[in-house]
Amino acid sequence: DTAVSQTPKYLVTQMGNDKSIKCEQNLGHDTMYWYKQDSKKFLKIMFSYNNKELIINETVPNRFSPKSPDKAHLNLHINSLELGDSAVYFCASSFGQGYSPLHFGNGTRLTVT
Amino acid sequence: DQQVKQNSPSLSVQEGRISILNCDYTNSMFDYFLWYKKYPAEGPTFLISISSIKDKNEDGRFTVFLNKSAKHLSLHIVPSQPGDSAVYFCAAPNTGNQFYFGTGTSLTVIP
Repeated sequence: DTAVSQTPKYLVTQMGNDKSIKCEQNLGHDTMYWYKQDSKKFLKIMFSYNNKELIINETVPNRFSPKSPDKAHLNLHINSLELGDSAVYFCASSFGQGYSPLHFGNGTRLTVT
Repeated sequence: DQQVKQNSPSLSVQEGRISILNCDYTNSMFDYFLWYKKYPAEGPTFLISISSIKDKNEDGRFTVFLNKSAKHLSLHIVPSQPGDSAVYFCAAPNTGNQFYFGTGTSLTVIP
């Protein structure tokens, strides 16, 4: 199936740990994104990335870093996890030219205890 | 700084009737708008879009209306079906295709 897939679906970890969430898309898109949905259900852009440019939302702590081994993958690495990082994280992809609808993965629910 | 707002967190509608979901935006530079639908434990899926050069776009049971002067758009679903029960997000991209989302409206269609 063509899709955006992310793993794991659920992630429970303790404060201070480092964790990664993986994302892969096979839609042939050239741009990938990470969004965070907080407890108020607000979906907020964290990063957008293509092979040329990384755009970081200025409110994202530098403990969060995207890592892209190739065009089809954009992983999210989080250092020194904090309680406030608990949220649902969505990966998405699109064509980067013009306005192109995002295709989302099913989300990773991160719980920091 | 919420540039896209959905002021109704929830809406209940009888099956077969019209559902109207509303969205307001503050950034007059937005010129393209989308609606996404989200089921529990799934990611949002694209539903319908509209460019600012239009005031209406229709796709089957779904119609989006845009009122640029009021910075307002709405999604009409006619007739509503139980399978339409989901959370609906409106969104608008900046020139970098980074989307700003509203907080969503949870639609319940009652059989």
